[in-house]
Amino acid sequence: AQSVTQPDIHITVSEGASLELRCNYSYGATPYLFWYVQSPGQGLQLLLKYFSGDTLVQGIKGFEAEFKRSQSSFNLRKPSVHWSDAAEYFCAVGVRNAGNMLTFGGGTRLMVKP
Amino acid sequence: EAGVAQSPRYKIIEKRQSVAFWCNPISGHATLYWYQQILGQGPKLLIQFQNNGVVDDSQLPKDRFSAERLKGVDSTLKIQPAKLEDSAVYLCASSVGRGASGYGYTFGSGTRLTVV
Repeated sequence: AQSVTQPDIHITVSEGASLELRCNYSYGATPYLFWYVQSPGQGLQLLLKYFSGDTLVQGIKGFEAEFKRSQSSFNLRKPSVHWSDAAEYFCAVGVRNAGNMLTFGGGTRLMVKP
Repeated sequence: EAGVAQSPRYKIIEKRQSVAFWCNPISGHATLYWYQQILGQGPKLLIQFQNNGVVDDSQLPKDRFSAERLKGVDSTLKIQPAKLEDSAVYLCASSVGRGASGYGYTFGSGTRLTVV
């Protein structure tokens, strides 16, 4: 069965600084890969997804993620963080040729210092 | 386009009571999901419907949880009787169909359940 690990439970960055959130997955083949953001009291919003092709994926709100097959990773990056980016971020995987179930990591809570 | 609607937003019940959550997916979305998100964890799939049929309910605690999707539109998730460990946010999501396009999930805002 597939699994997702987000090693960092909390991350604090200064506004304007760069950001990288880590995500590692375990699965025998290349899964579908996703990053979601969740603000307090809100549902999950899709930031970006990787299905195939170019391993650097651009998403909304200035986020990007890079799929590295050799490292089984799909890290999320942003060059300059804004205070409004403070939220919880979830990495998720989906399995090809199966149901559309998503397996989520435990999440990383991002705090932004002024 | 209207989003995924869920109600109620919040619910507090005593253990051993019953509770029901309602979800109205995006119009035309054939696939509907219920996820459970315990505080500090990522969401976990409870059940997946394709139209009004169950696709996957392997992680649904069937001794106390039940769900239905009558007429392939709205869905209800019920817990009876509730336990303390059922305290969580219950998220409903919908997507167009299956396969790669089926991963275009839209999530509702969730129902926060507190069992005391």
